[in-house]
Amino acid sequence: KQEVTQIPAALSVPEGENLVLNCSFTDSAIYNLQWFRQDPGKGLTSLLLIQSSQREQTSGRLNASLDKSSGRSTLYIAASQPGDSATYLCAVRRDTGFQKLVFGTGTRLLVSP
Amino acid sequence: DTEVTQTPKHLVMGMTNKKSLKCEQHMGHRAMYWYKQKAKKPPELMFVYSYEKLSINESVPSRFSPECPNSSLLNLHLHALQPEDSALYLCASSQGRGSGFSAETQYFGPGTRLLVL
Repeated sequence: KQEVTQIPAALSVPEGENLVLNCSFTDSAIYNLQWFRQDPGKGLTSLLLIQSSQREQTSGRLNASLDKSSGRSTLYIAASQPGDSATYLCAVRRDTGFQKLVFGTGTRLLVSP
Repeated sequence: DTEVTQTPKHLVMGMTNKKSLKCEQHMGHRAMYWYKQKAKKPPELMFVYSYEKLSINESVPSRFSPECPNSSLLNLHLHALQPEDSALYLCASSQGRGSGFSAETQYFGPGTRLLVL
């Protein structure tokens, strides 16, 4: 059974810092990995999707990398802003059968002004 | 329109009540999903509909009854719920084209926060 873990569980940083969120998964047979953002009590917004054949994806100040063989992904946020405060979830899809999203435990990020 | 809407935003119900959650999308998507998210936990898949037919039921108790009356609308009927069913219920949709639709990007609604007393 696929298990997805995110470290740290919570992170508090001052505005302007660059930061890295970590995601690890136990079964490397994945189809793709996706990073989401969730604001308190709200739905999920997709940030980046990395196919298993890719090493990284970038969108604005966000950069996600994938090391499939070691079961790891990182989300790099450059020049953090208070508006980045949210919970960040990574999710993986297996590469066979019905490819449901298996979510990680999340990292709660607080960026203070 | 790239939005998935859910109503109501909040719902409080007793264990003997019958209520329904509603989800709507007008993106022409043919796959729709229900997720349950307990506080400080990740979302967990409950049901998947593809072309208005139930495709996946993740062993969800029968007190949750999904319905997809048309391609834009997804309902979740609730009956005789337990306090432990209190959670945020998220709806999502994806294009749903072809057999590999489960790998598509999903668009999530804001959720309905349910409290069962």
